[in-house]
Amino acid sequence: GAVVSQHPSRVICKSGTSVKIECRSLDFQATTMFWYRQFPKQSLMLMATSNEGSKATYEQGVEKDKFLINHASLTLSTLTVTSAHPEDSSFYICSVGVGGNQPQHFGDGTRLSIL
Amino acid sequence: GDSVTQMEGPVTLSEEAFLTINCTYTATGYPSLFWYVQYPGEGLQLLLKATKADDKGSNKGFEATYRKETTSFHLEKGSVQVSDSAVYFCALRETGNQFYFGTGTSLTVIP
Repeated sequence: GAVVSQHPSRVICKSGTSVKIECRSLDFQATTMFWYRQFPKQSLMLMATSNEGSKATYEQGVEKDKFLINHASLTLSTLTVTSAHPEDSSFYICSVGVGGNQPQHFGDGTRLSIL
Repeated sequence: GDSVTQMEGPVTLSEEAFLTINCTYTATGYPSLFWYVQYPGEGLQLLLKATKADDKGSNKGFEATYRKETTSFHLEKGSVQVSDSAVYFCALRETGNQFYFGTGTSLTVIP
């Protein structure tokens, strides 16, 4: 069964709207979650590392005031795209890392379309 | 820094054809290597992995061998099916949970 639950799977909204995406770890406690962004026909680009109980670590070029990350519990991280614009339209995917040599477990992604 | 180079697609094959998707990597240490598959409109699913040199990962008829001497982790399948049509990503992780992904290779299998 699913290890990571991501919600919603699809969002269509008007420009200027803020959108919240949830990522839940179902099978284990995750002190670290990851947020990726994927443009059409491109690979995943790591946006930020979400750390439970502390501030997220953002990759270079990712606006932290634009993409707000909250990791308030060991099973939930949220990504809020604030005042979204059409250029923010993308596929956002979260993942949970277990550590060691274990693979990351990915959510099914959220397709965000800003009109 | 660490990186993954993956053969460009798209790749189109007839059903039952042999598949190879090349993947080479650059890493400073001893990474773990992964292949992920992404079906249309879905997130990534782990296909197979290898954690050390000469390990062979296998799943659903797909195989990949961790070749340290050639820094490669090529994905192979002897007989593809229409249901294998997807985008395949090669990835590595060296330390911690930082993953590096290749650009993905789109595979279309035609009946």
